[in-house]
Amino acid sequence: TQLLEQSPQFLSIQEGENLTVYCNSSSVFSSLQWYRQEPGEGPVLLVTVVTGGEVKKLKRLTFQFGDARKDSSLHITAAQPGDTGLYLCAPAGSQGNLIFGKGTKLSVKP
Amino acid sequence: DAGVIQSPRHEVTEMGQEVTLRCKPISGHDYLFWYRQTMMRGLELLIYFNNNVPIDDSGMPEDRFSAKMPNASFSTLKIQPSEPRDSAVYFCASSFRGLYGYTFGSGTRLTVV
Repeated sequence: TQLLEQSPQFLSIQEGENLTVYCNSSSVFSSLQWYRQEPGEGPVLLVTVVTGGEVKKLKRLTFQFGDARKDSSLHITAAQPGDTGLYLCAPAGSQGNLIFGKGTKLSVKP
Repeated sequence: DAGVIQSPRHEVTEMGQEVTLRCKPISGHDYLFWYRQTMMRGLELLIYFNNNVPIDDSGMPEDRFSAKMPNASFSTLKIQPSEPRDSAVYFCASSFRGLYGYTFGSGTRLTVV
């Protein structure tokens, strides 16, 4: 069984602050995806990382895949209320399916 | 494309009744997934199909749950009989070869009273 941990579970910050959320596992993954879910909606894909050490940027969001491909992080610079949501990491399983973590619930207050 | 379409958006039913959730995947996608989301357990994979064939149903909680995909454009998840502990948001997602990310529907919020 693959253990997947996301931390922190909850994060409440003020607009303009920076933050980092983490996704850790004891298993090695071929790829990993990050999703954001807003209340009342399904998760929406943000990025896919494939190579160990890979860094991808999406505006104020920076995603990194660990060198050993067991962990990943998401850093948000100057958070805005529109960043509020549940951030889910999802490494690829062995049969093409994704394994979702429980997520980090982010609240950005104006 | 209109995305993944799920119906109904909300369903309230009494314990013991049959519930059928519906999903229309994105045209051309060959994978279809059914997930259940609760606060306690997060997103749990129930079952997934590849080219309309069930590949892994190990996440289906019990025999009360069944899923079908009669063609590439339609899938159902049925619960019979329903129980209060089945209350959750059920998501359908589709993907092309599982490589380019999943597209989720907006979910069905099921409440069993």
